[in-house]
Amino acid sequence: NAGVTQTPKFQVLKTGQSMTLQCAQDMNHEYMSWYRQDPGMGLRLIHYSVGAGITDQGEVPNGYNVSRSTTEDFPLRLLSAAPSQTSVYFCASSYLAGAVGEQFFGPGTRLTVL
Amino acid sequence: EDQVTQSPEALRLQEGESSSLNCSYTVSGLRGLFWYRQDPGKGPEFLFTLYSAGEEKEKERLKATLTKKESFLHITAPKPEDSATYLCAPGGSQGNLIFGKGTKLSVKP
Repeated sequence: NAGVTQTPKFQVLKTGQSMTLQCAQDMNHEYMSWYRQDPGMGLRLIHYSVGAGITDQGEVPNGYNVSRSTTEDFPLRLLSAAPSQTSVYFCASSYLAGAVGEQFFGPGTRLTVL
Repeated sequence: EDQVTQSPEALRLQEGESSSLNCSYTVSGLRGLFWYRQDPGKGPEFLFTLYSAGEEKEKERLKATLTKKESFLHITAPKPEDSATYLCAPGGSQGNLIFGKGTKLSVKP
């Protein structure tokens, strides 16, 4: 099993550009989530999904969109990138919906917005 | 408002010098307390889940304990390979994890 995979590993954008961060898991997990990690701060939840077709907002959802058309994939879209979105983004998945079980994290995408 | 505080922010130990990391939390409807390890440039890696006060779990040199307001991660006779950032994350009432800022542990040989 590959676990949770994320692409790209690194990305540089200009202000106003849009892009999609890809996340896929091969463990048949129902729960998937996106976090951002900034220096001096804990991981903060952006969006999450408890199953295909179901998504909800986390703590910091503004400027980001998600969709869940399949169990395996959970892409994160930046609509119009801003320097404040410079961060490391992690995708995670869990067998149990509601995230009370162990979450498996991907390797992260390091995004810089100029 | 749910809050999580980890202390110390950074901890430097000599190899073999035991110590503890603290995680204090105020979370309504707590649904488990999770510990993760994060190495530089990598995603967090799951260590333990604790569900009730008094519960303890061990893995090699690590032992996690839980009270109603705190959790401790005890490190016994650490080795350099234990150097990492340790993250505490209570599960909130909606089922999502609330992460602390972490404790960066450095173990010198």
